[in-house]
Amino acid sequence: AQRVTQPEKLLSVFKGAPVELKCNYSYSGSPELFWYVQYSRQRLQLLLRHISRESIKGFTADLNKGETSFHLKKPFAQEEDSAMYYCAIRGIYNQGGKLIFGQGTELSVKP
Amino acid sequence: GAVVSQHPSWVICKSGTSVKIECRSLDFQATTMFWYRQFPKQSLMLMATSNEGSKATYEQGVEKDKFLINHASLTLSTLTVTSAHPEDSSFYICSARVPDKPDGYTFGSGTRLTVV
Repeated sequence: AQRVTQPEKLLSVFKGAPVELKCNYSYSGSPELFWYVQYSRQRLQLLLRHISRESIKGFTADLNKGETSFHLKKPFAQEEDSAMYYCAIRGIYNQGGKLIFGQGTELSVKP
Repeated sequence: GAVVSQHPSWVICKSGTSVKIECRSLDFQATTMFWYRQFPKQSLMLMATSNEGSKATYEQGVEKDKFLINHASLTLSTLTVTSAHPEDSSFYICSARVPDKPDGYTFGSGTRLTVV
């Protein structure tokens, strides 16, 4: 079964603290993983994808095939990071195919 | 570039009536559109995939007669919630396939449907 699991519905941290949003997946085949962010009253937007191996807004995520995980990390959280974060997956050879989303984690960064 | 305009942003309707949600691609041709349903602070559940000029493909458990999807042109896809009931109240989001974007998608801003 193809599935994305984000175990935490809500993650609350103080400004400057490290953040890790967990994502585990189940996928038969070669997956492509993404993190999306949805700020309050804004549309969903891509944060990063595992293929690019880049850091966006201080966030990084490494694909761990052994643990089937793609956790999102940031060493020092900022208040403006408060948002809903979604992990998503699709087949690496299925460009433009449907995305499967996790349940989402609400990140709240307190001052 | 590659913007999808979704309207209305919110709508309230009475039980039993139908509501149409539109998604227009403003500066590109959307050959494929995905329609999602999102409950508050929960996952986006894919409802259906539509390709221009052909019938939509619905996900398991989604009533195709209740959620009518039309994708008659390369710039417009519509979702009509027919005979709406309070349990249909939700946030509906469209997403267009955009090959030039890093992830291949662009998302609409969503429609908040409340059925009273």
